[in-house]
Amino acid sequence: EAQVTQNPRYLITVTGKKLTVTCSQNMNHEYMSWYRQDPGLGLRQIYYSMNVEVTDKGDVPEGYKVSRKEKRNFPLILESPSPNQTSLYFCASSLFRQGHTDTQYFGPGTRLTVL
Amino acid sequence: AQSVAQPEDQVNVAEGNPLTVKCTYSVSGNPYLFWYVQYPNRGLQFLLKYITGDNLVKGSYGFEAEFNKSQTSFHLKKPSALVSDSALYFCAVRDKSGGSYIPTFGRGTSLIVHP
Repeated sequence: EAQVTQNPRYLITVTGKKLTVTCSQNMNHEYMSWYRQDPGLGLRQIYYSMNVEVTDKGDVPEGYKVSRKEKRNFPLILESPSPNQTSLYFCASSLFRQGHTDTQYFGPGTRLTVL
Repeated sequence: AQSVAQPEDQVNVAEGNPLTVKCTYSVSGNPYLFWYVQYPNRGLQFLLKYITGDNLVKGSYGFEAEFNKSQTSFHLKKPSALVSDSALYFCAVRDKSGGSYIPTFGRGTSLIVHP
């Protein structure tokens, strides 16, 4: 089954404790992206990647890191989480052909609480 | 630059009545347009997209959307709403002309269908 998986689905942590949210897709998609969803603000893009070893900042990259060492995986790293990073996070992937992304497939979400 | 607006935070409709969720966009050239739906505690799911061709696009779950170039709109419609259609709906746009190969999402519209 074609899917995007994220782990963990729920996480409660404390300020400053490094954490990683994993994302994996099995569709051989070139493009992967991380979003955060907050009430009243909709979806905001954090980072995206066009292919292996190619990453770029989205609209709200501060406090986050990513890496793309393999095509299928795109982990989101919070080196020193703060309470304002409490949010619902989504990973997404899509084909990237002829310079364009297509329909995105989203993971189930990770609800992060930073105390 | 590309942008998308969903002017209504919430739409209320009675079951069996037609529904419309509004979306307007701004691009330099021609748009790719998408609708996604998010059910409670789930990730976003693709509903339909407009690339080219017929202005009326049919998608999943009986939804359709009408592309109107003169009004720069892409409203989502369904002839007869179901309670199970209650969800958060996102419109997204990408400019075909280049400059941005990544879609921009609207803030989302909460659709509530009353029994």
